[in-house]
Amino acid sequence: GAVVSQHPSWVICKSGTSVKIECRSLDFQATTMFWYRQFPKQSLMLMATSNEGSKATYEQGVEKDKFLINHASLTLSTLTVTSAHPEDSSFYICSARDIASYEQYFGPGTRLTVT
Amino acid sequence: GQQLNQSPQSMFIQEGEDVSMNCTSSSIFNTWLWYKQDPGEGPVLLIALYKAGELTSNGRLTAQFGITRKDSFLNISASIPSDVGIYFCAGQLSSFNKFYFGSGTKLNVKP
Repeated sequence: GAVVSQHPSWVICKSGTSVKIECRSLDFQATTMFWYRQFPKQSLMLMATSNEGSKATYEQGVEKDKFLINHASLTLSTLTVTSAHPEDSSFYICSARDIASYEQYFGPGTRLTVT
Repeated sequence: GQQLNQSPQSMFIQEGEDVSMNCTSSSIFNTWLWYKQDPGEGPVLLIALYKAGELTSNGRLTAQFGITRKDSFLNISASIPSDVGIYFCAGQLSSFNKFYFGSGTKLNVKP
């Protein structure tokens, strides 16, 4: 089946530093990937839609200069949390839409803790 | 953004019981998805529905796309302990559009 990986699976960083999270589709190609954030005991909230070869589309209220997205290939999208603060601590989940089937597959998530 | 109302918020059932949960929206969706999320993991797709009235099964799971296209339900029959987790519905307004997620139903199964 279709597999999406995320790296790292968890990360702890100090306030003010930047963290990069990778999302890879391992056995399919994806022109579109999505980045979600999930706070404890809450649902997934879409942050942005990442499009291969073009700029990401951000949801209302999400700062594009703080959450930098790069989708340089059909199998990789990265999310960089810049100048992280404790309130950015969350579970970040990506999903990738298979270019052939249009099905959306989720990664295992990355738990970010900012101290 | 779009609001998906998912209920119930949580359920405590005995192993072997059937369970039902549903999602409603104020908008017409063209796709409904049901996911299960285990603690500390990403959601896993259970069932995808693409047509109004569609009834689809995946093992002990059955989901239906409501006729009005504004609702969907998920049934789990003969529950087992490994069914424990959070179940999310997700709806899409149109193809290639983003998905909106319900607030989740937390299922607890007592052996």
